[in-house]
Amino acid sequence: GAGVSQSPSNKVTEKGKDVELRCDPISGHTALYWYRQSLGQGLEFLIYFQGNSAPDKSGLPSDRFSAERTGGSVSTLTIQRTQQEDSAVYLCASSSFLTGTIEAFFGQGTRLTVV
Amino acid sequence: AQSVAQPEDQVNVAEGNPLTVKCTYSVSGNPYLFWYVQYPNRGLQFLLKYITGDNLVKGSYGFEAEFNKSQTSFHLKKPSALVSDSALYFCAVRDTNAGKSTFGDGTTLTVKP
Repeated sequence: GAGVSQSPSNKVTEKGKDVELRCDPISGHTALYWYRQSLGQGLEFLIYFQGNSAPDKSGLPSDRFSAERTGGSVSTLTIQRTQQEDSAVYLCASSSFLTGTIEAFFGQGTRLTVV
Repeated sequence: AQSVAQPEDQVNVAEGNPLTVKCTYSVSGNPYLFWYVQYPNRGLQFLLKYITGDNLVKGSYGFEAEFNKSQTSFHLKKPSALVSDSALYFCAVRDTNAGKSTFGDGTTLTVKP
């Protein structure tokens, strides 16, 4: 696609429920990143994919968080048993080392609110 | 390990004056350096990057940044600020051997008419 697409744009969920956040990167971009941005805070790295592999998942806050990428394209971030502290904007970005486009292109984010 | 520091939470300048947003970094190897801008209720947009070569890099909207290896800095500059430049600015670093970028906490730039 023309840009990085994330869905849903907003998600309100009850504490304890599971949520899935989707990211559709720019076509042909091999690298995909998930970051989290809490209100008034900077970007917190969660996980990085190169193709379908995740060489760096060091930022996942707990085992309630998981992510996968299939076909070298779409990625899903899953949060199980959501807690109020999970409330944040979840940002996805992609880039392509192969074409020298090392800068990240970000989606508009998913605003997650846990009530 | 890699890290970024943006020492100023807030920068205020008058329209037409030059602006500087500071960034220092730490990497174990050689750095790729980036600036991104975030306008209210919008995603992050790429402004400019340093890979190698000329220490002064030019980017979008008249912004530029100077890479200083000895001071490990990559300050963002613009000769004449516009009110529309008001936004949240993030500096980011990536070790050339790493896959992920590490972002600073951001600096809110306010340009007053």
